Amino acid sequence: SQTIHQWPATLVQPVGSPLSLECTVEGTSNPNLYWYRQAAGRGLQLLFYSVGIGQISSEVPQNLSASRPQDRQFILSSKKLLLSDSGFYLCAWSVPAGGYNEQFFGPGTRLTVL
Amino acid sequence: GNSVTQMEGPVTLSEEAFLTINCTYTATGYPSLFWYVQYPGEGLQLLLKATKADDKGSNKGFEATYRKETTSFHLEKGSVQVSDSAVYFCALSDRNTGGFKTIFGAGTRLFVKA
Repeated sequence: SQTIHQWPATLVQPVGSPLSLECTVEGTSNPNLYWYRQAAGRGLQLLFYSVGIGQISSEVPQNLSASRPQDRQFILSSKKLLLSDSGFYLCAWSVPAGGYNEQFFGPGTRLTVL
Repeated sequence: GNSVTQMEGPVTLSEEAFLTINCTYTATGYPSLFWYVQYPGEGLQLLLKATKADDKGSNKGFEATYRKETTSFHLEKGSVQVSDSAVYFCALSDRNTGGFKTIFGAGTRLFVKA
């Protein structure tokens, strides 16, 4: 069966510090991978998605970046965090088929920037 | 472009009450439709889905019917429980674009009182 892991679960960082959040998927090959952000009490904002190693599409210009160094590893990074980067970050995957795109979500990382 | 509109919350109900959360969509192709649920502090999980017009998705007592004529996918449950308290997201995925992305509604928070 497939599983998705995210870490850390919670993170408190000062403004201007770097960020690295990691997501890994097990039990599937060549998944589509996604990073979302959810601000407090708000909906989901798609940040990045990837359909293969090294292939990253950015949805929203900001000080975040994403990388996919391995087939089932997706990393979200920042060189300098802003207060507005606080939120709940969710990683998700889906099968790379042309059919319906059911997404499977990880447990999330709650980031607080102080 | 594609979009999803769902009723604003929060929705507060007493246990055993009937639930309806409205969802309408706009899509240029032939989307698949989903309801996801997010319990406090967790990631999203798929609740039910429908891939073509007139399909009815159901799970855990929840139901939603894909209505192409009214472009709607309303979520219903006959008798809610306290454990149903969560945020519910309506979503669509357009197969004509390869299904790479899912468009989410803003979410509707449900509170069920004992």
